[in-house]
Amino acid sequence: LAKTTQPISMDSYEGQEVNITCSHNNIATNDYITWYQQFPSQGPRFIIQGYKTKVTNEVASLFIPADRKSSTLSLPRVSLSDTAVYYCLVGVFTGGGNKLTFGTGTQLKVEL
Amino acid sequence: GAGVSQTPSNKVTEKGKYVELRCDPISGHTALYWYRQSLGQGPEFLIYFQGTGAADDSGLPNDRFFAVRPEGSVSTLKIQRTERGDSAVYLCASSPQTGARSGELFFGEGSRLTVL
Repeated sequence: LAKTTQPISMDSYEGQEVNITCSHNNIATNDYITWYQQFPSQGPRFIIQGYKTKVTNEVASLFIPADRKSSTLSLPRVSLSDTAVYYCLVGVFTGGGNKLTFGTGTQLKVEL
Repeated sequence: GAGVSQTPSNKVTEKGKYVELRCDPISGHTALYWYRQSLGQGPEFLIYFQGTGAADDSGLPNDRFFAVRPEGSVSTLKIQRTERGDSAVYLCASSPQTGARSGELFFGEGSRLTVL
């Protein structure tokens, strides 16, 4: 499995755009990149998944450069409720034998 | 129910006791995962089921841990001779395992286990 590296923590203010970058230098050809959000006392929640270039959904965008050795989760106009831990996962999500491994994540703190 | 259900939400037990944690996945989801999360850490993979069979149990820390999913739906994580180091939140997740977003796991809220 590709090892991922993320900043331990980030601070932001309401209304700002937040970009969290994940490094995954040994990503394999078939690996997908997936981001999860976790609030205290809750299980992680899926945010977005991508393979290459850019993916956008109703809550976030995911930017993946051509070499795929890193990825950036972009949260537009964050609010206090976006304060959470964000995890980047890299792996193969097809068929059997999946082992989706979480790193230590990035603690995002949003203030007024 | 609409989501993944885990029971009990909290379990306090004494060292050496036997514990069972139950996971009721989303109906129709063929893949089921167990994770363990300690304070300040990301979830740690334990075991993955595809249907009734354990497709990958390489994350189970030792032979005191065992999990079953006899009918391909509800799963039970069993811990024998509990130790204080087993204290953690045990998370269950399920997935439809199909389509482009097969990496989307749906997690329950976890079972917090405290071993005294």
